[in-house]
Amino acid sequence: SYELTQPPSISVSPGQTASITCSGNKLGDKYACWYQQKPGRSPVLVIYQDTKRPSGIPERFSGSNSGNTATLTIGGTQAMDEADYYCQAWDSSTALVFGGGTKLTVL
Amino acid sequence: QVQLQESGPGLVKPSETLSLTCTVSGGSISGYYWSWIRQPPGKGLEFIGYIYYRGGTNYNPSLKSRVTMSVDTSKDQFSLRLSSMTAADTAVYYCARDRGRGELQGMDVWGQGTTVTVSS
Repeated sequence: SYELTQPPSISVSPGQTASITCSGNKLGDKYACWYQQKPGRSPVLVIYQDTKRPSGIPERFSGSNSGNTATLTIGGTQAMDEADYYCQAWDSSTALVFGGGTKLTVL
Repeated sequence: QVQLQESGPGLVKPSETLSLTCTVSGGSISGYYWSWIRQPPGKGLEFIGYIYYRGGTNYNPSLKSRVTMSVDTSKDQFSLRLSSMTAADTAVYYCARDRGRGELQGMDVWGQGTTVTVSS
């Protein structure tokens, strides 16, 4: 079955750039998307089709996907960006798969 | 603004079948893929399955033997049935819509989630 691997946690200082990676076999050949989830809330789509932002998502959120790694980058990280982030992709063997999630701490 | 609302029992006994319904308001169920995702307490998101408005389905292989999804376009609802429930199925269950019309792009509309506990 297809798997996506994320670091369990990362921390960043306010105003700095946060990069969250998502690794999977030939992930660059698939589309990846990213969700933000704050405690007690439903997930929010922040990036789809590797690089696109839904309306209402701040420009500081960007994405890339190449080789075996997709990356979510948050430029000028703010306290409000503290959340869990999940990558997601589609695969013929598993239909749809989520990464394990990364807890972003802004300190 | 499309909104989704999950409904169903909050408590299910072991070995019983869970039945949940997601009602779509503010828009039509037609043209989109609709998913069920769950999240056990303190853990990550787990894909259960998705259904196209025309009825085609795709399930998580690890749950496939226990999952049935259906859609009722006349009511703008879709449903999940998960059989042989155990404590490991205790989770918040979300319904969600994929943003792509006829193609999968990512889930941009989510319900608020409903907590399901499996206990006798």
